[in-house]
Amino acid sequence: AQKITQTQPGMFVQEKEAVTLDCTYDTSDPSYGLFWYKQPSSGEMIFLIYQGSYDQQNATEGRYSLNFQKARKSANLVISASQLGDSAMYFCAMREIGANSKLTFGKGITLSVRP
Amino acid sequence: EPEVTQTPSHQVTQMGQEVILRCVPISNHLYFYWYRQILGQKVEFLVSFYNNEISEKSEIFDDQFSVERPDGSNFTLKIRSTKLEDSAMYFCASSPGRMQETQYFGPGTRLLVL
Repeated sequence: AQKITQTQPGMFVQEKEAVTLDCTYDTSDPSYGLFWYKQPSSGEMIFLIYQGSYDQQNATEGRYSLNFQKARKSANLVISASQLGDSAMYFCAMREIGANSKLTFGKGITLSVRP
Repeated sequence: EPEVTQTPSHQVTQMGQEVILRCVPISNHLYFYWYRQILGQKVEFLVSFYNNEISEKSEIFDDQFSVERPDGSNFTLKIRSTKLEDSAMYFCASSPGRMQETQYFGPGTRLLVL
């Protein structure tokens, strides 16, 4: 089974609107971390936000927030007030306690922001 | 703000040649990683490195690959005899600790094997 699933083929959002990018994960470890990275067309991987499995509150970082639903094993990224510069590929990733710290990535979601 | 750097940004090589990809992790970080991303595909883990030794490697990281931290700042990935399928973006990453610590990625080296 895939560890990280990102099934949305491509997302479009109007500038200044909010958008949710979906991510579901699969693990039997009680302790894990979930991460979102942004990859613009230039290719670099930019860290956006982190959620720990034991965190009581959903993570927020500026315009980014993580809708963490542990029972459903989902960790959706919400981007508020979309900007043109948000157009990029977005990757969800997980680190499990038994995985010696490596990140396992989903296949990514392309987000296009329309003016 | 400290960042991970990688050189070169692009490299073109002939099949069978050796390549060395270089990385300078963030200075106070202890854990170092290499990942690769074949064009249009997801990012895949290659190897993690801590305390001057490999702590984990994936199936991709076969005998053609090696990593080294030759001094206190550089972290290198060597591919001894490149194959066409080694063409990919190679990312170096570092983190201050192991669990629950964010890994910060470098800008990547785009390797093309002809």
